[in-house]
Amino acid sequence: SQQGEEDPQALSIQEGENATMNCSYKTSINNLQWYRQNSGRGLVHLILIRSNEREKHSGRLRVTLDTSKKSSSLLITASRAADTASYFCATDGFPPSSGSARQLTFGSGTQLTVLP
Amino acid sequence: DTEVTQTPKHLVMGMTNKKSLKCEQHMGHRAMYWYKQKAKKPPELMFVYSYEKLSINESVPSRFSPECPNSSLLNLHLHALQPEDSALYLCASSGTDLFYGYTFGSGTRLTVV
Repeated sequence: SQQGEEDPQALSIQEGENATMNCSYKTSINNLQWYRQNSGRGLVHLILIRSNEREKHSGRLRVTLDTSKKSSSLLITASRAADTASYFCATDGFPPSSGSARQLTFGSGTQLTVLP
Repeated sequence: DTEVTQTPKHLVMGMTNKKSLKCEQHMGHRAMYWYKQKAKKPPELMFVYSYEKLSINESVPSRFSPECPNSSLLNLHLHALQPEDSALYLCASSGTDLFYGYTFGSGTRLTVV
């Protein structure tokens, strides 16, 4: 089942601008991850933020996490045409129904288009 | 290059066929997953194998049958599928350490005719 919502559903920006995507989730988490998916391809892991962290950086990516609001944001700075893709947040936990197995549950996704 | 390899990349099958999707990981991970993704939707978890123990999403119909021959291989056996089962099927692997993300394969695009 889907963990939560992302907004916006679609975002179109010019190259060089910043892109911000937001994610809300419903349950307690161990960590929150962001993935990128180019059209019809597999998912690529971008960044992971643990539940006790508030902000994390990786290159042009900045992720924030607010566990009190059950929300996260992904900022891509100085966007490039190659950043055009779908972006998904995903929460990682150990739901009781699965015993000791990790389970990654995805948000609804944001389609980012970066125009050259 | 991905360290999770899925074959085939594309598959077209009839509703009476039996086929299998294959996934192999070289990460040394002890957990492997099957996800189903419909167009413009997020991936949905179907099955988890963690330390050779299977966990099932109870909404997955029995015409999908997973098999884990060893900790590096994961198969998904398909039988008597319906056209609505057409989707991108993604395999992933992970360690048990919560500090690291998952590694996904490039997927198998399945079309049921």
